[in-house]
Amino acid sequence: RKEVEQDPGPFNVPEGATVAFNCTYSNSASQSFFWYRQDCRKEPKLLMSVYSSGNEDGRFTAQLNRASQYISLLIRDSKLSDSATYLCVFNTGGFKTIFGAGTRLFVKA
Amino acid sequence: EAQVTQNPRYLITVTGKKLTVTCSQNMNHEYMSWYRQDPGLGLRQIYYSMNVEVTDKGDVPEGYKVSRKEKRNFPLILESPSPNQTSLYFCASSLVTGGALGYGYTFGSGTRLTVV
Repeated sequence: RKEVEQDPGPFNVPEGATVAFNCTYSNSASQSFFWYRQDCRKEPKLLMSVYSSGNEDGRFTAQLNRASQYISLLIRDSKLSDSATYLCVFNTGGFKTIFGAGTRLFVKA
Repeated sequence: EAQVTQNPRYLITVTGKKLTVTCSQNMNHEYMSWYRQDPGLGLRQIYYSMNVEVTDKGDVPEGYKVSRKEKRNFPLILESPSPNQTSLYFCASSLVTGGALGYGYTFGSGTRLTVV
């Protein structure tokens, strides 16, 4: 099983839609979880951390399911500017970080 | 402004010609790391450093060297570049808390390297 599996998409959604991505991980020792956003040919930027209790930042909601070993990102009321690649990231403890290959999102007018 | 600065942004070189990509951060972060990003493969870690004079291999270290003589700088060295090292490279830094990386990374803007 791969260390991390992420649906590459692309997800094509209209403006205003709600879209959700999942990301599964195989290492049960994973301790901290993040979602990053990467625009084409640019550096990844931290979107939000993911906590066990779930957390929300404006239109974005992140969830962690330790039992099933996945994290999710929900985007409500999608904007054109949300078009990007979304990377899930795990720290497995110590200094090991695993990056997903990314899910591409296209939001269309 | 808190940032990670990488140079150069773009580089075209020939096989076998030694090159160095510089990385500097102004956030006093202990942890620094180099990644390469290739289509369909995501980011893969090359080397990382937990502090001055402390470095370790990541997942794809072959053909690369690093050094950490100062806390703020973490250069990536390709002694004899080959075409399979053509890639997009990112430097990143992070705080270390409780002996682990509890916070996210700050990335540099990337270096697009082409080896012909």
